[in-house]
Amino acid sequence: RKEVEQDPGPFNVPEGATVAFNCTYSNSASQSFFWYRQDCRKEPKLLMSVYSSGNEDGRFTAQLNRASQYISLLIRDSKLSDSATYLCAVTRGSTLGRLYFGRGTQLTVWP
Amino acid sequence: SAVISQKPSRDICQRGTSLTIQCQVDSQVTMMFWYRQQPGQSLTLIATANQGSEATYESGFVIDKFPISRPNLTFSTLTVSNMSPEDSSIYLCSGRGSERGNTEAFFGQGTRLTVV
Repeated sequence: RKEVEQDPGPFNVPEGATVAFNCTYSNSASQSFFWYRQDCRKEPKLLMSVYSSGNEDGRFTAQLNRASQYISLLIRDSKLSDSATYLCAVTRGSTLGRLYFGRGTQLTVWP
Repeated sequence: SAVISQKPSRDICQRGTSLTIQCQVDSQVTMMFWYRQQPGQSLTLIATANQGSEATYESGFVIDKFPISRPNLTFSTLTVSNMSPEDSSIYLCSGRGSERGNTEAFFGQGTRLTVV
């Protein structure tokens, strides 16, 4: 079983839509959780960390469900500029340990 | 977070040759990692670059094929040796644990390698 499983999509939504991505992780010892955004032919860039209590940054909301071992990302009022691949990542053990990445979910927002 | 400058950004190489990729961080980082990413796929960790000692390789990757150096806390290189077309991929270096206290991972711009 893969460390991190993620629906690859693609998700195609109109501007203004709300879209949600889920990501499951297999190791209950996972400690830190992140969402990254990767534009075509670019490197991944941190979108937001995911905290136990859930966190929000503008139109983006991230949540963690430790009991079911999944994290989610909700994007409200989608913009054309949100089109990208969204990667979830987890670490276990050491705070600065390696990240395990999902394969990414491709999002296309159309006008 | 800190900034990593990775070069070359792309290269086309003949099979059997070797290519060395360099990553320079603008501040000291505790951890550095090397990943490979095939188109449409996730990032696969090649190895953890350890400062002043041999890198720690993941299953399926060996030092003879992917020698790594990390002479200090701001610089690392990955060499792809005796290349074959199967090595065509994007190679990314990553850092964690910057002097600024960030713990998230940040990446170099990637090296797009094509082996012909």
